[in-house]
Amino acid sequence: GAGVSQTPSNKVTEKGKYVELRCDPISGHTALYWYRQSLGQGPEFLIYFQGTGAADDSGLPNDRFFAVRPEGSVSTLKIQRTERGDSAVYLCASSLPGLAGDTYNEQFFGPGTRLTVL
Amino acid sequence: AQSVTQLDSHVSVSEGTPVLLRCNYSSSYSPSLFWYVQHPNKGLQLLLKYTSAATLVKGINGFEAEFKKSETSFHLTKPSAHMSDAAEYFCVVRDHYNQGGKLIFGQGTELSVKP
Repeated sequence: GAGVSQTPSNKVTEKGKYVELRCDPISGHTALYWYRQSLGQGPEFLIYFQGTGAADDSGLPNDRFFAVRPEGSVSTLKIQRTERGDSAVYLCASSLPGLAGDTYNEQFFGPGTRLTVL
Repeated sequence: AQSVTQLDSHVSVSEGTPVLLRCNYSSSYSPSLFWYVQHPNKGLQLLLKYTSAATLVKGINGFEAEFKKSETSFHLTKPSAHMSDAAEYFCVVRDHYNQGGKLIFGQGTELSVKP
C-alpha cells in the first residue's frame, strides 16, 4: 500500500513569505506527527495529532508555526513570516493511535519536504 | 527528561568488517529504544526496536542491538558491513509518558563503508 506522502518535495521561498507543507498519511492511521530536521541534526518533534485535534504541540518553536488536520487525514503545516533559520527538512509520520505507556505503534515516515528560506 | 546521546558523529569501516554504532540513553523508567536508518533522499526506516522484552534485539539487514541497563547503552552492531549500509543512523527513545509517544532522536551517526 501507499506510504506517507509529502508535498512539495522541495520548497524555496523568500524571507518573510508564508508557506504551507502538506502531509498525506497512511490510510487508517489516526495519529500524525510533524518533525523538523535541521542540517546535521536528528529530527525534532513539532506537533502530534490524534484524529483532528492537536494533542501535543509542545515542539512548535513559536507562534509563526501552525498545523491543522481538519478531517483527521491530511495535515498542513503552516509557517508565517518565514526566517532563514526555518530552513530544514520537515518530516511527517503517521501511525495507528499514539499511546503513552508500553504500547507502541510504529511511526512511518514520509520522505520529507526540504524548505529553503533565502 | 528522556534523551539519547550518540557517541560518534561519523564511523568509517571497510566492507566485510564489523560495525559498531554507540548510543547511550537517559530515562527514569525502562525506555522504549529504536534505531532508524536514513539513506540519502529517502525516508527514515525503522531498523529495530526494544520495548522491554528480550535485551538482544534483531533487526533488518543483519543489524542487532543490545539493551544494557547497567550501562544505559543501546549500541547497534552488524558482523559484516556491506556497501549498501552506508547511511545516517539515529538512536531514538520514545517519550514514554505523554500521549502520542513522540520520538526523541539522537544527533545521528554517519556510517561510511569503504570497498
